[in-house]
Amino acid sequence: SQQGEEDPQALSIQEGENATMNCSYKTSINNLQWYRQNSGRGLVHLILIRSNEREKHSGRLRVTLDTSKKSSSLLITASRAADTASYFCATTYSGGYNKLIFGAGTRLAVHP
Amino acid sequence: DVKVTQSSRYLVKRTGEKVFLECVQDMDHENMFWYRQDPGLGLRLIYFSYDVKMKEKGDIPEGYSVSREKKERFSLILESASTNQTSMYLCASSFRQGRTDTQYFGPGTRLTVL
Repeated sequence: SQQGEEDPQALSIQEGENATMNCSYKTSINNLQWYRQNSGRGLVHLILIRSNEREKHSGRLRVTLDTSKKSSSLLITASRAADTASYFCATTYSGGYNKLIFGAGTRLAVHP
Repeated sequence: DVKVTQSSRYLVKRTGEKVFLECVQDMDHENMFWYRQDPGLGLRLIYFSYDVKMKEKGDIPEGYSVSREKKERFSLILESASTNQTSMYLCASSFRQGRTDTQYFGPGTRLTVL
């Protein structure tokens, strides 16, 4: 059962532009995380935002969380070709043994 | 750095074979997870374990079993492989909930069942 749904499914931009990906979820959460996956590889954790936080930054990444709308966004500023990857949001909920529920992901292509 | 390793990057098996996928983590994590990833479906949880010898079904446990005899090792078993089990399999580990919820992933095993 997918909790999160990313939007758009695919995004194609030029180097230097900003990339924004959105995630919606269905039930109350403890936190929401974003992961990146390079083609054919495992996932790498990018950033975690707790349910009582509204915004978080890490380098060129900015994540927002709106619990009233059950949505989050990931902004990558000044994108680089190396940012080309799939990006997934994942949520955890209370009593869930730290299980993550993933969305289907956004495929980002950054062209030089 | 946390390291999660998986026994094979690529695996080709025949229908009906018994398949073992091994995962080892070196961070003394309590939780370990097995996911499968298919295009357009994201990651789906097969099984997870929150302690040695403990296991819980995920969303799609049918056709799979798991074993956790040691804290650092979590095995996924396909008792009789079928073509619809052709997929990318990802192992992950994490601390028990309440410490940090970040999961650390292995590189994945791409399994093809012929």
